[in-house]
Amino acid sequence: GAGVSQTPSNKVTEKGKYVELRCDPISGHTALYWYRQSLGQGPEFLIYFQGTGAADDSGLPNDRFFAVRPEGSVSTLKIQRTERGDSAVYLCASSLRLGSGANVLTFGAGSRLTVL
Amino acid sequence: QKEVEQNSGPLSVPEGAIASLNCTYSDRVSQSFFWYRQYSGKSPELIMSIYSNGDKEDGRFTAQLNKASQYVSLLIRDSQPSDSATYLCAVGNQFYFGTGTSLTVIP
Repeated sequence: GAGVSQTPSNKVTEKGKYVELRCDPISGHTALYWYRQSLGQGPEFLIYFQGTGAADDSGLPNDRFFAVRPEGSVSTLKIQRTERGDSAVYLCASSLRLGSGANVLTFGAGSRLTVL
Repeated sequence: QKEVEQNSGPLSVPEGAIASLNCTYSDRVSQSFFWYRQYSGKSPELIMSIYSNGDKEDGRFTAQLNKASQYVSLLIRDSQPSDSATYLCAVGNQFYFGTGTSLTVIP
């Protein structure tokens, strides 16, 4: 696509529920990143993929968070047993390829998650 | 996560002045550095990238990198009210972000 697409744009759920957030990167971008941003804070790195594999998942806060990118394009961030502290804007970004001099991120509009 | 530090501000400058934003980072091996701008309620958008020590100019923006001192800065010349936003510094292939500096340009 022309830009990074994230769905849903808004998600309200109850504590303890399971949530999936989807990201469709720019066509041809092999690197895909997930961030979480709370109010007044910078984006917090969660995970990035190079192709289908997670190149670095060190930012995932705990084992309730998991992300996949099975075909090297669309990615899904999965959150189990949601907690109120998970409420944030989840940002996805993609770049042409990892480690190149032209490696710059383009962000999607984000998915705002509210856990009641 | 690697530490990326920014003064959260808020920083206020009059229209037409120079705004100076600073960022320090902890990972000595980082090779790529970025400045993003984020308007309220919007996603970050890239302003500049810099990879080598020294200055890089793009229009009213100048990025400065000093790897030995582990800092990167952004200068905005002839600041405009439309520059009012949060400026985020990002470092490395994982794009570790700082907390951002809120800039207000006063007409």
